[in-house]
Amino acid sequence: SAVISQKPSRDICQRGTSLTIQCQVDSQVTMMFWYRQQPGQSLTLIATANQGSEATYESGFVIDKFPISRPNLTFSTLTVSNMSPEDSSIYLCSVENRGDEQYFGPGTRLTVT
Amino acid sequence: SQKIEQNSEALNIQEGKTATLTCNYTNYSPAYLQWYRQDPGRGPVFLLLIRENEKEKRKERLKVTFDTTLKQSLFHITASQPADSATYLCAPQMNRDDKIIFGKGTRLHILP
Repeated sequence: SAVISQKPSRDICQRGTSLTIQCQVDSQVTMMFWYRQQPGQSLTLIATANQGSEATYESGFVIDKFPISRPNLTFSTLTVSNMSPEDSSIYLCSVENRGDEQYFGPGTRLTVT
Repeated sequence: SQKIEQNSEALNIQEGKTATLTCNYTNYSPAYLQWYRQDPGRGPVFLLLIRENEKEKRKERLKVTFDTTLKQSLFHITASQPADSATYLCAPQMNRDDKIIFGKGTRLHILP
């Protein structure tokens, strides 16, 4: 299993600003994932982050809006740029266990005013 | 497009009874199907994975079935307890290396 922590756990931000969310894993992993979960909705994959390469973004998500860093095998950041109220959501990072189950962080609850 | 349907309404079950949650999928044929539990304010927690060649998988009080003809998975909790109250997410996966697609989840309430 993997233990994942995220910072911050929650934040309230003003429109037009940016927030960087950190994800730390207690073991080295190849792939890390970033999800968004809007109220009452399912988890939506934003991007997959591999160490040493550019993140792969899903349809509807672009690097300019959600830049991701993956400097090593235990850490990643997701930035939500130029925020609008529509970006209010829970953002979760996860890692994969040998192609099977995923382990999730506790999430970052973002409110944009 | 790929679509996953889970009971949209919350499910209320009396303690001690069996809770059965349904996951239907359309427009694709996943080789794997996972179930997760999510508590309020927490990230999802993996429960079970079932492969297309497995009809049934069990883990303690949990049982999952996978009917590729009906394109449906059933998730059962036997001898349910109030601590089982949570949202349960169905997550089909085309192949082992493919991304997991999550359903919206079913909220389960076990009534004492």
